[in-house]
Amino acid sequence: GNSVTQMEGPVTLSEEAFLTINCTYTATGYPSLFWYVQYPGEGLQLLLKATKADDKGSNKGFEATYRKETTSFHLEKGSVQVSDSAVYFCALLYGYSSASKIIFGSGTRLSIRP
Amino acid sequence: NAGVTQTPKFRILKIGQSMTLQCAQDMNHNYMYWYRQDPGMGLKLIYYSVGAGITDKGEVPNGYNVSRSTTEDFPLRLELAAPSQTSVYFCASSAGHSNQPQHFGDGTRLSIL
Repeated sequence: GNSVTQMEGPVTLSEEAFLTINCTYTATGYPSLFWYVQYPGEGLQLLLKATKADDKGSNKGFEATYRKETTSFHLEKGSVQVSDSAVYFCALLYGYSSASKIIFGSGTRLSIRP
Repeated sequence: NAGVTQTPKFRILKIGQSMTLQCAQDMNHNYMYWYRQDPGMGLKLIYYSVGAGITDKGEVPNGYNVSRSTTEDFPLRLELAAPSQTSVYFCASSAGHSNQPQHFGDGTRLSIL
């Protein structure tokens, strides 16, 4: 079946460090892939997306590339800030319009030290 | 610029009480969803709807009911609240096409005591 696996947290980094949060997926067909971010006390917000192989999604300095050969969609940022502290969810959307389903990973908590 | 609006933000219930969590969206989205998020966990789908008058069960539907009489509204009903339903509940909507993301409300934090 379809599934999403992301690295367990928490991840703690110093400000300006390089960030990678790993995400791999299992899916039949050609899913769309997303990263969502959840700040404390808020709902999930879409961070970036990629809809086909080799697409790169980017937003707010974050990037992720849809790698079909490794079934991965790792999230990266070159220099993190304290304001990036949040929980990050990788998600997979599969199926066609009348039966689209989304699966979320379990989330990775990121804490950035000043 | 409302997006998805959930009410209430917080609620405490006694075991056996009932309540309705409200969700409304103003983006004319056909698809709407209810999730629960337990501490330190990801989201689990409770129910979803692909349009007015159409609802279907998700991964964890037991103990909940939904209705979808309009495109805008998708209330979630708890009939007999149980401690296991203590969670944060998120409503989401999407245009429903295969590459369209979901837009989330800010959540309802529910405690059953």
